[in-house]
Amino acid sequence: QVQLQQSGPGLVKPSQTLSLTCAISGDSVSSNSAAWNWIRQSPSRGLEWLGRTYYRSKWYNDYAVSVKSRITINPDTSKNQFSLQLNSVTPEDTAVYYCARGAGIAVAGTGYFDYWGQGTLVTVSS
Amino acid sequence: DIQMTQSPSSLSASVGDRVTITCRASQSISSYLNWYQQKPGKAPKLLIYAASSLQSGVPSRFSGSGSGTDFTLTISSLQPEDFATYYCQQSYSTPDTFGPGTKVDIK
Repeated sequence: QVQLQQSGPGLVKPSQTLSLTCAISGDSVSSNSAAWNWIRQSPSRGLEWLGRTYYRSKWYNDYAVSVKSRITINPDTSKNQFSLQLNSVTPEDTAVYYCARGAGIAVAGTGYFDYWGQGTLVTVSS
Repeated sequence: DIQMTQSPSSLSASVGDRVTITCRASQSISSYLNWYQQKPGKAPKLLIYAASSLQSGVPSRFSGSGSGTDFTLTISSLQPEDFATYYCQQSYSTPDTFGPGTKVDIK
């Protein structure tokens, strides 16, 4: 059974960096058949996919254009986890942030999200 | 980006009702359409993938159909635990995009 456990602060000041980590159990961040995603949810923007990291003989990243200049998603193979860094945050980045496993690449295009972390409410405020 | 729309945005139904939710993509996405259920304070839960494949452990009263741009999620007999918000998501191309959701509440 795959489990994703999120950690990180719930309050970030404007202009600072939002940092979250997602620890994986029951699968590997280096899996050749999965992708590791960050998704956020807010009343104003709904569910918004932010980006993913995945390993296919080498590491790849995909990012949403809306955050591409500010986002970094990194795998940590030694701890079997992956992280999200979002720079220069504003109150518009206030949301519940989820990590999720992307699977089923062979049958479902970029994949479906079959396992999710518990969610972290991140508030951007001074 | 591929835009996803859903209708209705909300509906009221009774236990035992048949419920149908529609999702439309702004361009053809073949069968790369997934459905999720979300309850308050919880992460979304995968119900259906690739338009019509039932995720393991999901009750058979949930079904999905469609291809191209038009898709439906059907709950054949609504149960008390099905009152939630439902989202579609396209996995045809990056960026993955979600519909705005359909809230199903008690009539």
